[in-house]
Amino acid sequence: QKEVEQDPGPLSVPEGAIVSLNCTYSNSAFQYFMWYRQYSRKGPELLMYTYSSGNKEDGRFTAQVDKSSKYISLFIRDSQPSDSATYLCAMSHNNNDMRFGAGTRLTVKP
Amino acid sequence: EPEVTQTPSHQVTQMGQEVILRCVPISNHLYFYWYRQILGQKVEFLVSFYNNEISEKSEIFDDQFSVERPDGSNFTLKIRSTKLEDSAMYFCASSIQGAGNSPLHFGNGTRLTVT
Repeated sequence: QKEVEQDPGPLSVPEGAIVSLNCTYSNSAFQYFMWYRQYSRKGPELLMYTYSSGNKEDGRFTAQVDKSSKYISLFIRDSQPSDSATYLCAMSHNNNDMRFGAGTRLTVKP
Repeated sequence: EPEVTQTPSHQVTQMGQEVILRCVPISNHLYFYWYRQILGQKVEFLVSFYNNEISEKSEIFDDQFSVERPDGSNFTLKIRSTKLEDSAMYFCASSIQGAGNSPLHFGNGTRLTVT
């Protein structure tokens, strides 16, 4: 089983739709969970950062962590064409490295 | 907003040559990282660096790789003898604390092409 699993998509939605992105993981030691957005030929850009289980909301973005199920989600409300990018989940325990999912490519069509 | 900067944006080299990729982390950050992303694949951890020494490295980071912080602002990744399979995007990142305690901020990467 891969340490972090993420459906690579691609995922295509109409403008205004609610987008749901998900990752599962196998390492129960992960405590810190992040979502990054990556545009083509750019570095990952931090979107959301959460510790342990629970929800976190920032504008149109909501991150959820369910440690009991080893499952994290990112929801994007009122999606915009500018949200079209690859979304990467990432997670870490108390060491210094971070493990990334494969990334889900999202296209929001006008 | 402060950012991580990487140079060059694209580096082409011949197999067997040495390359040095350069990064300027965010100025008040203490932890530095290199990641790579082979085209179409996931972002992979290479190495973390703190207090002028490597704190952790992955199995990818073999003897051909080395890192250095030659002065108070730069952080470099050297590949001693490049191989075709080293072709990838190399991302530098920095954080105030370790990855477990604060998020990483990434540069826009250096695209390394080994011919």
